[in-house]
Amino acid sequence: AQSVTQLDSHVSVSEGTPVLLRCNYSSSYSPSLFWYVQHPNKGLQLLLKYTSAATLVKGINGFEAEFKKSETSFHLTKPSAHMSDAAEYFCVVSDRAAGNKLTFGGGTRVLVKP
Amino acid sequence: NAGVMQNPRHLVRRRGQEARLRCSPMKGHSHVYWYRQLPEEGLKFMVYLQKENIIDESGMPKERFSAEFPKEGPSILRIQQVVRGDSAAYFCASSPDRQDNQPQHFGDGTRLSIL
Repeated sequence: AQSVTQLDSHVSVSEGTPVLLRCNYSSSYSPSLFWYVQHPNKGLQLLLKYTSAATLVKGINGFEAEFKKSETSFHLTKPSAHMSDAAEYFCVVSDRAAGNKLTFGGGTRVLVKP
Repeated sequence: NAGVMQNPRHLVRRRGQEARLRCSPMKGHSHVYWYRQLPEEGLKFMVYLQKENIIDESGMPKERFSAEFPKEGPSILRIQQVVRGDSAAYFCASSPDRQDNQPQHFGDGTRLSIL
């Protein structure tokens, strides 16, 4: 069985400061991991994905994430937050044992203060 | 190059009515997934379909919910005799194949409200 835990339900940062969103996963197989962002009343947009290539993954809008197998973590970071980064972020795992269906973390809501 | 299209964006139904949610996958995608998002929660998998086949419906409630993806036309998620607890956002996603390194592309969702 696979599962995802996002350690913070809310994160508040000031514009221009770093953002860290924490994610731990559990998977019975070699997982694929994703981060999606959801703006209010919108669908989900893919930020980045890890698929067993480089452990440091660069995504869109300056986000990146590092896969650490020993820690079963896939934390998302951005060096400098922008007001437009205010949204909800989901860490997601998929593996073949689960037939490619996605398992979502509970989400982290990011607030960016001016 | 249109993305995943869902309609309607908002749907209001009274208890006991039927709700039909439609999803047209991205061009060239033959795999469709439905997810439900309850208020203040993450998305939960409901069902996975390919053309004319249900591959995995392990997340579907046992009663009142059904899904199809016909040879022609959009995928339909159907909820019969809706109840207040069905109020949620329903998202459709599509992918070109079943490889687990292919990201799923999401539509903007249908927000279902039950009066």
